[in-house]
Amino acid sequence: KQEVTQIPAALSVPEGENLVLNCSFTDSAIYNLQWFRQDPGKGLTSLLLIQSSQREQTSGRLNASLDKSSGRSTLYIAASQPGDSATYLCAKWGTDKLIFGTGTRLQVFP
Amino acid sequence: GAGVSQTPSNKVTEKGKYVELRCDPISGHTALYWYRQSLGQGPEFLIYFQGTGAADDSGLPNDRFFAVRPEGSVSTLKIQRTERGDSAVYLCASSVSSGSGSYNEQFFGPGTRLTVL
Repeated sequence: KQEVTQIPAALSVPEGENLVLNCSFTDSAIYNLQWFRQDPGKGLTSLLLIQSSQREQTSGRLNASLDKSSGRSTLYIAASQPGDSATYLCAKWGTDKLIFGTGTRLQVFP
Repeated sequence: GAGVSQTPSNKVTEKGKYVELRCDPISGHTALYWYRQSLGQGPEFLIYFQGTGAADDSGLPNDRFFAVRPEGSVSTLKIQRTERGDSAVYLCASSVSSGSGSYNEQFFGPGTRLTVL
């Protein structure tokens, strides 16, 4: 059972574009939603954490929103740069563990 | 301060061998988590400790997998009779505490890449 789904699986864009990464989850009883970045061969770096009572969080060029009624979260990346190339993972907090999506592999080319 | 560390960073072993993977959490973090990430997939939960005890081990795939945290700090994930399907990156994370319904941010280590030949 896939509880967390991410679309698209892969994305390749030119530098400067604004991007939208999607995350959907089957269980609306969500406590928290977190977005991570993973570089090849590395661990996870937390980007944004949205508490269940919140609707969005912003950090620099990143903005994440949470719509519990529709079971969706969206990560916006403004003015993408080659250094943004990585895999982006969303995860929901499932009572006592994080449940991850399969990720979106992003490549930003100059 | 120091983050979560994991050793070794890479481990290559032969089918049927025993391996141990170590995780050093952030000092003072009482909750510790193990996840496994297969190629092209997101991390999947294995087990979590609150202090010394395993509070939830529902993600361990079978009885060849075992984890301990005897002093409530360092944890060791142990895999017996390794199989090729065990090849993955094993990630460890820690947080200040954990509890049903409440979330404290988890901080992840760099992972151990296990390859079973």
